[in-house]
Amino acid sequence: DAKTTQPTSMDCAEGRAANLPCNHSTISGNEYVYWYRQIHSQGPQYIIHGLKNNETNEMASLIITEDRKSSTLILPHATLRDTAVYYCIVRGNFNKFYFGSGTKLNVKP
Amino acid sequence: DTAVSQTPKYLVTQMGNDKSIKCEQNLGHDTMYWYKQDSKKFLKIMFSYNNKELIINETVPNRFSPKSPDKAHLNLHINSLELGDSAVYFCASSQARGLIQTQYFGPGTRLLVL
Repeated sequence: DAKTTQPTSMDCAEGRAANLPCNHSTISGNEYVYWYRQIHSQGPQYIIHGLKNNETNEMASLIITEDRKSSTLILPHATLRDTAVYYCIVRGNFNKFYFGSGTKLNVKP
Repeated sequence: DTAVSQTPKYLVTQMGNDKSIKCEQNLGHDTMYWYKQDSKKFLKIMFSYNNKELIINETVPNRFSPKSPDKAHLNLHINSLELGDSAVYFCASSQARGLIQTQYFGPGTRLLVL
């Protein structure tokens, strides 16, 4: 049921930018893209969301392509504490969040 | 000042028992959810309540019965527990702001059925 596809895993050097891609080619015009992360087995943590403009907050930046079929989450200076599974989600009917398998980001010293 | 809290954090029980998991949110949200994360780490929605009314009920066995006494609480009661019910259960809440409805998750309840 997930409407998104993401790479299974990625590595990133500590202090460098981590760019996590997501494809959501079937997204409809008024659907937002949300990003969450899950550190170990903790509860998923909200990171950022966007519709069509690029967004930035204290945690990350979200770049959405003009056709809205893909997006990239950017962690500008990854730290070891950013090691987690990152989920890209497009909201379904009745606010259903379909979590796919996500991207396991490994931040290495 | 925890936003979404769950009790208990860990639950170990025998097959066939009945157990409940509680969830409370102090965010003033009007919608609450239960998710199940199995051993393969897939996170799937089970139920959603809006203002104490059920709005999402995925294909979940009827041994699972959610109860919402008020907007701030959504409890999950499980009858006749089975081995396959072993998982981490997450509660979440949200408040609609136009088309935006960000969900905030609790820390999870780790259920082990022996």
